[in-house]
Amino acid sequence: QVTLRESGPALVKPTQTLTLTCTFSGFSLSTSGMCVSWIRQPPGKALEWLALIDWDDDKYYSTSLKTRLTISKDTSKNQVVLTMTNMDPVDTATYYCARIEGSYHGPFDYWGQGTLVTVSS
Amino acid sequence: EIVLTQSPATLSLSPGERATLSCRASQSVSSYLAWYQQKPGQAPRLLIYDASNRATGIPARFSGSGSGTDFTLTISSLEPEDFAVYYCQQRSNWPPVYTFGQGTKLEIK
Repeated sequence: QVTLRESGPALVKPTQTLTLTCTFSGFSLSTSGMCVSWIRQPPGKALEWLALIDWDDDKYYSTSLKTRLTISKDTSKNQVVLTMTNMDPVDTATYYCARIEGSYHGPFDYWGQGTLVTVSS
Repeated sequence: EIVLTQSPATLSLSPGERATLSCRASQSVSSYLAWYQQKPGQAPRLLIYDASNRATGIPARFSGSGSGTDFTLTISSLEPEDFAVYYCQQRSNWPPVYTFGQGTKLEIK
């Protein structure tokens, strides 16, 4: 059974760095073709893809946010970590992690339940 | 960057009716297009991948079609649980960059 769960602070201040952890089970990120992504959704708005890390430790980022994002993995702990620097109130959103299996083409087939992050002083 | 435009923004229908949702890409995405359903307070759920393949456990009333730049999600006969927001999503060729449409809200008429 594949599960993903996001964890991190519910509230961060402007200019701070956000660190989110995705803890997953039911698959291994060392398996060829496996990827984990971060996706966010501001309240009442659409989904926005942020970053992806693959089984080979290759990393890809949203063009508009890549200077602020870092994604990493700890295969032994079944975790993927996303850091986002210089947080702003517009970054208030629910942050999801999701899996892709099989190749970069694959859809996001399993999602975590999401974690709401509010940016406010 | 490829932009996905979904229409209509809101679709008002009654249970039992047929729903047709559209997703148009600003340039060809081949068949690498997926559809998701999202209900309030829940994560998105994968419905369709590679434009026309139903994900595991998805009822047969959901179908997808299209290729290139124009895609359609059809729900043949709406059930009460189908009223939700639907998103399309694509992956650019290289490097992998993923984009979502702005969503279509399917509401009860």
